Amino acid sequence: NAGVTQTPKFRVLKTGQSMTLLCAQDMNHEYMYWYRQDPGMGLRLIHYSVGEGTTAKGEVPDGYNVSRLKKQNFLLGLESAAPSQTSVYFCASRSPGGGFVIGEQFFGPGTRLTVL
Amino acid sequence: DQQVKQNSPSLSVQEGRISILNCDYTNSMFDYFLWYKKYPAEGPTFLISISSIKDKNEDGRFTVFLNKSAKHLSLHIVPSQPGDSAVYFCAASPNSGYALNFGKGTSLLVTP
Repeated sequence: NAGVTQTPKFRVLKTGQSMTLLCAQDMNHEYMYWYRQDPGMGLRLIHYSVGEGTTAKGEVPDGYNVSRLKKQNFLLGLESAAPSQTSVYFCASRSPGGGFVIGEQFFGPGTRLTVL
Repeated sequence: DQQVKQNSPSLSVQEGRISILNCDYTNSMFDYFLWYKKYPAEGPTFLISISSIKDKNEDGRFTVFLNKSAKHLSLHIVPSQPGDSAVYFCAASPNSGYALNFGKGTSLLVTP
């Protein structure tokens, strides 16, 4: 049981290049999320998905696209990378909650992206 | 606009003593509150949570207190251990189906 995995762990891009970050979870969770973490900013939600084939915008979605073609995978795309997208990106999936119990979010190890 | 605020960027505590990490929130719709712990180069890991129907939740050395009228919660770690040194994030959600709003984190250092 690997939990949440992210590929790649590190990447350096030039301005204008594109790339896709892959997140995979083996816990059969419906909900998946992409966050970015910047110094002094905490974690900010980029996009999320409540199930296969669905996506929705979070707090900071501009410049990113996502796809959830399979339940276990959530892809984050940068079509034209900008230096402002230099950050650490975390993927998470959430276990079912209900009633007064919130499902726990499990995070991947992160992808450190630098855009020059 | 930051809806979850952790006003102390850092905290230093001696081993064996109590660590108290504070968190304030502005959104009265938040019903679920969580604490996450993060080590460098790793993803955050869940520590403890509390729902708005409770004012206290305890798990071993960790206790979270919720004061809804003050929109304030705190995490108590007793006794603190050097392995507790990490960044602690407070997070909140309006219901169990929503994504989390995170604070900026508090870096805890527990010294021997």
